[in-house]
Amino acid sequence: DQQVKQNSPSLSVQEGRISILNCDYTNSMFDYFLWYKKYPAEGPTFLISISSIKDKNEDGRFTVFLNKSAKHLSLHIVPSQPGDSAVYFCAASSNTGNQFYFGTGTSLTVIP
Amino acid sequence: EAEVAQSPRYKITEKSQAVAFWCDPISGHATLYWYRQILGQGPELLVQFQDESVVDDSQLPKDRFSAERLKGVDSTLKIQPAELGDSAMYLCASSSGLHRGTQYFGPGTRLTVL
Repeated sequence: DQQVKQNSPSLSVQEGRISILNCDYTNSMFDYFLWYKKYPAEGPTFLISISSIKDKNEDGRFTVFLNKSAKHLSLHIVPSQPGDSAVYFCAASSNTGNQFYFGTGTSLTVIP
Repeated sequence: EAEVAQSPRYKITEKSQAVAFWCDPISGHATLYWYRQILGQGPELLVQFQDESVVDDSQLPKDRFSAERLKGVDSTLKIQPAELGDSAMYLCASSSGLHRGTQYFGPGTRLTVL
């Protein structure tokens, strides 16, 4: 059973506009969430994280929002750049286990 | 910048053969992970080491897969015998353990079983 879900396999956005990538989870014990970016033929690269004690974390052009009641998080990229074109994975973990659960990824294409 | 090294980058083998993948984590990172990523899916944890000890191998198909990290530094993942369904990307990651979740991934080994 997929505990972390990314329901949009792909997203296309114009350069300069906002990209919003969504992620839903089912396990209410998850308390730490991450976003990774992956280019072809490379391993995932850590992008940004958020703990359940916060509802927002910002790092430059990247902001992650967490809605615990809805079990939903989103990654906002503003402004989007062509170099942001990649596959984005969200991942979640609980403090009771060692494992991180990854979503299936969303392929973002930023159109120049 | 320190990186996680993996080799080989690509491996093609026939079913029933043995294959081995190698990972060298970032220096000083005590925690090492092996993931399998099937095309179109997210990475799935196979095994986690803390130093030389296995912390979690509940998802490792132990009838054919084995992993070791003898000196608590580099690690080897082996599949014997390989099956068609093993075709995937095998990713290694490491973390210092100081900040939960900051795992640094290597480039992966793309395995194709014919």
